Amino acid sequence: AQKVTQAQTEISVVEKEDVTLDCVYETRDTTYYLFWYKQPPSGELVFLIRRNSFDEQNEISGRYSWNFQKSTSSFNFTITASQVVDSAVYFCALRGSTLGRLYFGRGTQLTVWP
Amino acid sequence: GAGVSQSPSNKVTEKGKDVELRCDPISGHTALYWYRQSLGQGLEFLIYFQGNSAPDKSGLPSDRFSAERTGGSVSTLTIQRTQQEDSAVYLCASSSAGNQETQYFGPGTRLLVL
Repeated sequence: AQKVTQAQTEISVVEKEDVTLDCVYETRDTTYYLFWYKQPPSGELVFLIRRNSFDEQNEISGRYSWNFQKSTSSFNFTITASQVVDSAVYFCALRGSTLGRLYFGRGTQLTVWP
Repeated sequence: GAGVSQSPSNKVTEKGKDVELRCDPISGHTALYWYRQSLGQGLEFLIYFQGNSAPDKSGLPSDRFSAERTGGSVSTLTIQRTQQEDSAVYLCASSSAGNQETQYFGPGTRLLVL
């Protein structure tokens, strides 16, 4: 069975604060793929990152960074020096090795106040 | 355009009517997915098409829901005898071949059943 848990339903921070969004996953597949998507108020799901299970390197892209730890089945997302434009719902998703569908977490609503 | 397009953007219908939602994937993408996003259920998988293979219909909630993909490109999701619980945003995504490929989402169709 595949499952993604995002325990944080809502997070509020003030601009310039760092914030980490948690994602824990469950899968029996040895090969799998993890994703983060952003859904701003406009509603469209925007792809942020994909990570393959065999690549545990952390990744940094500008103010965004991702920490993938297979030992704890976690794929956490950190925004450094948050900005108001980062306000959105963020979804973590899992795709197994054989099926095409994505399994989504329930999402974390991030609000960044000026 | 270069992205996934969906039409209509919004649809209001009366309970019991049939509706058709359209998705135009990214050119060259062989895989196409339908998801549904509602307040109580989060993001739910509905159906997945991959090339000429039989579609994965395991997510369709009832036999009132059906989808087809003509010519390996455009897809239509049909909901017959709509019910109020069908009100949701219907999202379409497409990807290149291969399980590791990223799914890119369209802007969605917001369906309201009165």
